Amino acid sequence: GAVVSQHPSWVICKSGTSVKIECRSLDFQATTMFWYRQFPKQSLMLMATSNEGSKATYEQGVEKDKFLINHASLTLSTLTVTSAHPEDSSFYICSARVPGQGNYGYTFGSGTRLTVV
Amino acid sequence: AQKVTQAQTEISVVEKEDVTLDCVYETRDTTYYLFWYKQPPSGELVFLIRRNSFDEQNEISGRYSWNFQKSTSSFNFTITASQVVDSAVYFCALIGGTGGFKTIFGAGTRLFVKA
Repeated sequence: GAVVSQHPSWVICKSGTSVKIECRSLDFQATTMFWYRQFPKQSLMLMATSNEGSKATYEQGVEKDKFLINHASLTLSTLTVTSAHPEDSSFYICSARVPGQGNYGYTFGSGTRLTVV
Repeated sequence: AQKVTQAQTEISVVEKEDVTLDCVYETRDTTYYLFWYKQPPSGELVFLIRRNSFDEQNEISGRYSWNFQKSTSSFNFTITASQVVDSAVYFCALIGGTGGFKTIFGAGTRLFVKA
């Protein structure tokens, strides 16, 4: 149980376009989701926390107008990279808090590799 | 502040060797959880273990074992008789209340297992 499906697995887009990444909780309700970014050979850095029905909370240094996060339902959170540029190329991964495990149980999506050309 | 340090950036071993990945953490919380994840080249994070701060028992799962020592704030991971399929990046992580219950990842250790 507690599976998060993330799509797409990889995407190539042209500079200046927008890209949407989806994370769906398949068998549970995800009231809280987290979005991470990982540059090559680096660790995962938290970008933002989203709670269903409210605005996302962004970490310091993350441009909220560039990385739009929507968590409109208990099973879906989306990250939209707006006006993407080559420096936005990265691996993006979502995580959801698993009900019943308090504040310490999380499951991760499989990640999206974004390449902006 | 909460912090996870994985001092080993890369480790290279020959198949069947044992290898230990180090993890040192910092937190002011009395209740916290520690994790290890494996990230193969495909990118997904594979959950390996979760350990709470009140359980210092070492754990063994097949070829994997974990040594949790609160006295030294360490949570080390040993792979016995390593295999090529163990080649991946391994992340140690921490969750605690003073960090807002967000997962704090270490920098990761890249393990190469050569045949």
